[in-house]
Amino acid sequence: GNSVTQMEGPVTLSEEAFLTINCTYTATGYPSLFWYVQYPGEGLQLLLKATKADDKGSNKGFEATYRKETTSFHLEKGSVQVSDSAVYFCALSDPLGAGNMLTFGGGTRLMVKP
Amino acid sequence: GAGVSQTPSNKVTEKGKYVELRCDPISGHTALYWYRQSLGQGPEFLIYFQGTGAADDSGLPNDRFFAVRPEGSVSTLKIQRTERGDSAVYLCASSPRGLAGGMDTQYFGPGTRLTVL
Repeated sequence: GNSVTQMEGPVTLSEEAFLTINCTYTATGYPSLFWYVQYPGEGLQLLLKATKADDKGSNKGFEATYRKETTSFHLEKGSVQVSDSAVYFCALSDPLGAGNMLTFGGGTRLMVKP
Repeated sequence: GAGVSQTPSNKVTEKGKYVELRCDPISGHTALYWYRQSLGQGPEFLIYFQGTGAADDSGLPNDRFFAVRPEGSVSTLKIQRTERGDSAVYLCASSPRGLAGGMDTQYFGPGTRLTVL
């Protein structure tokens, strides 16, 4: 079956540091890949997505590239801010499925200190 | 416009009781999803509706769990004979058409935190 593995947190960084959160996946076929973010006290929000190999998703300074050869979709940001503190979830959807159901990783908590 | 809403935000019940959790999707969205998020884990898929019908209920853990969407908008997740292991945050999401391949964005509600004592 489909699965997503992401690095365990918490990840603690100082403001303006470089961020990488690793995500790898297992899937049949060619899934679409997503990063969702959950800010404190809020619901899950889509951060970025990529629907085919070598696509790069980007939003709010975050980027992730769909790497089919390494089955990875690592999240990066060049300079984090305190406001980026949240839990980040990597997810995939199976294009062979009837709908667009998402399979999530376990989440990575990011804490950015001033 | 209004996002996905879920009620109640918190529900505490006793083992063996019946509970209903409600989801109001974004108006006009035909696809609706229920997920369950246990503490410290990512959400897990439960069931997907396309309109009024359950197109995929493969994620429901057992026959104590049931969901309906009778008019193609509001959905109710029903749990019979609750167990302590059912304690989790239940998330609802909707998307415009439920297209496969990531072409639709799922919009999540804030969740209902269920605690079974």
